[in-house]
Amino acid sequence: LAKTTQPISMDSYEGQEVNITCSHNNIATNDYITWYQQFPSQGPRFIIQGYKTKVTNEVASLFIPADRKSSTLSLPRVSLSDTAVYYCLVGGTYGGATNKLIFGTGTLLAVQP
Amino acid sequence: DAGVTQSPTHLIKTRGQQVTLRCSPKSGHDTVSWYQQALGQGPQFIFQYYEEEERQRGNFPDRFSGHQFPNYSSELNVNALLLGDSALYLCASSAAGQGGWSNQPQHFGDGTRLSIL
Repeated sequence: LAKTTQPISMDSYEGQEVNITCSHNNIATNDYITWYQQFPSQGPRFIIQGYKTKVTNEVASLFIPADRKSSTLSLPRVSLSDTAVYYCLVGGTYGGATNKLIFGTGTLLAVQP
Repeated sequence: DAGVTQSPTHLIKTRGQQVTLRCSPKSGHDTVSWYQQALGQGPQFIFQYYEEEERQRGNFPDRFSGHQFPNYSSELNVNALLLGDSALYLCASSAAGQGGWSNQPQHFGDGTRLSIL
């Protein structure tokens, strides 16, 4: 399974746009890229998922270049409540069963007033 | 629409004891995966159940076992508890594809905090 590399921590201020980049050089053809957010003592919460190009939902955008060896999670106008750990994962679902997720240490985003 | 629910939320055990954790998947999901998350670390995959069978397993000893019931709910059992088993145990559910490719993301519960004394 592809290993991902992302910054250990990032700092931002309220109202700013935050971009977190993840490297996944060994991504397989059938792998999707998924981002999760986790608050202390809670389970990871699904943010966004994509395969290529750009995906946007009500909370974030995901940019994936053509070679798919990296991806960037973009959070527009962050607030204090966006302070959390963000995980980038790659994987897919093959033949029915969902593939296991391999988490790294994630990126701790700290948003300040 | 209820999401993934886990019970209990907290549990305290002593070394050598056995523990059973429970998970109900999100409505419409049929695959359940279990993860262990130590403090300050990312979740580590334990195993996954689909169609009442263990389909994949991570690097965990046989002391960790599980079960999936016909209603897709699942249990995680840990025998001979060690101090190092203290962690947040997370359950995630997803919907399996129809024999082909699927990009259904996994949805997590808020976990069971297990403390071993």
